[in-house]
Amino acid sequence: DVVMTQSPLSLPVTLGQPASISCRSSQSLVYSDGDTYLNWFHQRPGQSPRRLIYKVSNRDSGVPDRFSGSGSGTDFTLKISRVEAEDVGVYYCMQGTHWPRTFGQGTKVEIK
Amino acid sequence: QVQLVESGGGVVQPGRSLRLSCAASGFTFSTYAMHWVRQAPGKGLEWVALISSDGNNKLYADSVKGRLTISRDNSKNILFLQLNSLRPEDTAVYYCARHWGADYWGQGTLVTVSS
Repeated sequence: DVVMTQSPLSLPVTLGQPASISCRSSQSLVYSDGDTYLNWFHQRPGQSPRRLIYKVSNRDSGVPDRFSGSGSGTDFTLKISRVEAEDVGVYYCMQGTHWPRTFGQGTKVEIK
Repeated sequence: QVQLVESGGGVVQPGRSLRLSCAASGFTFSTYAMHWVRQAPGKGLEWVALISSDGNNKLYADSVKGRLTISRDNSKNILFLQLNSLRPEDTAVYYCARHWGADYWGQGTLVTVSS
């Protein structure tokens, strides 16, 4: 199985400051069609996950533009340009290239 | 708008069975593959199974293969997960999610396996 490794696992941030989460995969996530299927999800406490980013860098509808995704191959990053209070929770990366689908361990973002 | 509503969770003894449902609305259910993903209490997300839009192709995590069965009824817009031979480690919130990329998720249903 493809192992997804996130870092850091805990990220205290100051409101208005940037934040960055890394996600590394044990195998390349480039699919045979040329696309890279790496998604990011946000889960607030007590809620179900919400997808933020698909195929590395595409924001889902309604996702604020302070969220951005980048990366290629096995190395990916989610950035929040200016953290707001509603951004707290756990962020997960998920690979959609190989079976079984696998998630990172999650990165808990909290306000300092 | 897209809605996914899971149901069927509860407390069940080890070795027993349970069937979860996910009622879909707000989109053409029969044209989308669907996932089940679970989350043990206080833990991360674990992909469980996927079924193709027509129901002919099914994929499972090794941890549940042979015990859990995914199915769907496209005439009623419902996704199912049959859980057999339940173990304490199957205790989790079970979510259904739409499409290969898991773009929409339900609110989840809690399954607790305990004697």
